[in-house]
This record gives sequence, C-alpha cells and structure tokens, in this order.
Amino acid sequence: DAGVTQSPTHLIKTRGQQVTLRCSPKSGHDTVSWYQQALGQGPQFIFQYYEEEERQRGNFPDRFSGHQFPNYSSELNVNALLLGDSALYLCASSRSYEQYFGPGTRLTVT
Amino acid sequence: DAKTTQPPSMDCAEGRAANLPCNHSTISGNEYVYWYRQIHSQGPQYIIHGLKNNETNEMASLIITEDRKSSTLILPHATLRDTAVYYCIVKGRADGLTFGKGTHLIIQP
Repeated sequence: DAGVTQSPTHLIKTRGQQVTLRCSPKSGHDTVSWYQQALGQGPQFIFQYYEEEERQRGNFPDRFSGHQFPNYSSELNVNALLLGDSALYLCASSRSYEQYFGPGTRLTVT
Repeated sequence: DAKTTQPPSMDCAEGRAANLPCNHSTISGNEYVYWYRQIHSQGPQYIIHGLKNNETNEMASLIITEDRKSSTLILPHATLRDTAVYYCIVKGRADGLTFGKGTHLIIQP
C-alpha cells in the first residue's frame, strides 16, 4: 500500500501566479482533506472533499479551491499567490475515523 | 478557537513512560478525542482516538476522565524516535482536524 502521495514535493512560484497541488489518497479511502502549515505553526484546515463535493471548509479565502475526482484523488488550487501562502501543504485521506497524512508539498512564493 | 489546552513542552527519559496531558473542558457529547504527532518536516501521524472509554493500540494508550474534560496519552516505553510535537484534538467524526500548538515532547537519552 503506497499510502497518501502528494506531488510535487517542492515548488517555487512568483507572487500573483496560480498553483495546483495534487494528492492521491490511501487505497480504500474516499475522503480527502487539505491543510496549510506555516513554519513553526500547527496545520490549519483548508477544506475536505467527499463524493467529489466540498463537505467542509476552514477559514480560507476563495483563492483556495479544490476538486476531487471519481478515483478519489484531489487537487488544491491557489490563485493570485501571496507571499504569505508560502507553507507546507498537507493532504490527508480517510474512510472512517482516522486521517492519514501525506508528506506534503513545500510551496515557496517569491 | 482552540478547544484543547496542552503544555508547550515536556521531557521524558528514554525507556520510561511518557504521559502527555490534555484539557478539553468544552467537549461536546458527540466529539471524539484524537491524538496525532508530527516529527520534524513530516506529515502528522495518527496515534489513537477515543470517545469515552480508555483505548489502547500498538503505539499508545489513551485515558479519558469520566467527565471527558481531560485525557492523557501514554507512550509506555519512550524511545528517542518518539521525540515530536504531539497534538490533542477534539472533533466530530467527519470534521476536519483543528490543530493547536501541541506539546513538544523531548525524549532524553
């Protein structure tokens, strides 16, 4: 079992650009959640997808959007990047109680 | 708003039991207590969860008080690899996780 995988591992973007991050859930999992972790902080919940719909959303602006595909994989899109969007973006998948996290994508906005 | 209160840091000697406390006095009847940990630069790792009964798995034990207002995570025989930030989280079953600042547990050789 490959576990939760994320791509790319690292990414450098310029302020104002758009970025797409990808996540493949653990086998058998149907729910995907996304988190943002700034340096020295705990992860912050962005949103959760289930059955291709956004089921729950944290306190993030509309610049952050997502998608879930029929195979349960997911994308996180961020538009009009700000310097403050620099962070580790974590994807977690679940089917029942516990969430399993991927290694994250390190996004740097310059 | 943070729903849990944890000490910012704790030390424990290698081989001893590490007991990490968490206060969650405003927990609702349908909310579970979850514990995750994060080793530097890695994604968080699920440890254990419970509703009202004590729970044990291969990693740890979770002791929840009868009034459910606090809990303790127990790592029975701590090793250096258990050095990490430990997060106590209360949430409904399908909710996203709300991470606080956690407890930085340092295992001393």
